[in-house]
Amino acid sequence: GQNIDQPTEMTATEGAIVQINCTYQTSGFNGLFWYQQHAGEAPTFLSYNVLDGLEEKGRFSSFLSRSKGYSYLLLKELQMKDSASYLCAVRDLGSGGSYIPTFGRGTSLIVHP
Amino acid sequence: GAGVSQSPSNKVTEKGKDVELRCDPISGHTALYWYRQSLGQGLEFLIYFQGNSAPDKSGLPSDRFSAERTGGSVSTLTIQRTQQEDSAVYLCASSKTGYTDTQYFGPGTRLTVL
Repeated sequence: GQNIDQPTEMTATEGAIVQINCTYQTSGFNGLFWYQQHAGEAPTFLSYNVLDGLEEKGRFSSFLSRSKGYSYLLLKELQMKDSASYLCAVRDLGSGGSYIPTFGRGTSLIVHP
Repeated sequence: GAGVSQSPSNKVTEKGKDVELRCDPISGHTALYWYRQSLGQGLEFLIYFQGNSAPDKSGLPSDRFSAERTGGSVSTLTIQRTQQEDSAVYLCASSKTGYTDTQYFGPGTRLTVL
């Protein structure tokens, strides 16, 4: 089965940089996603990594190391609206034989002035 | 175009009653997923559809839960004889093919079992 770990909560200051880590154990890795979820809303896609390295998209970047079972989401120039839960999801071979995304519990990021 | 829609947005029911939750995916998306999210918990995978077939039902928590998809489009998640522990937000997501594509989530149905 899968085991996905990420910190429960982080706080940061507006304008700063924050790194949210995610570690995982899988049997058949096939990609890692990061989603953002504001309170009371559905998750929205941020990034997808399937190869090692850094993917940059505006203020957000995501890094993957498959050999270490490790990813991070880097948020630059933090804004108050970035306060949300950030979900790490790993696509792994499920018991039913399909590649299914399994989600971590999410990291609640609080950005303060 | 329109996103994933779900209905109802909120459902309050009494223990022991059956409920049906509906998901209307993005047009043309062949893959459809059901998840549930309890307070303070991560998303729990329930079932995955590719077209009308469900290659992976491994997440369904009990035989009280079932789902179907017709016409490769709308899906219904049915919970029979609801229990208080079924209370959660039920999220539906769709993607183009289901293998490497991004999932787009609906707004969810908040189910409360009294």
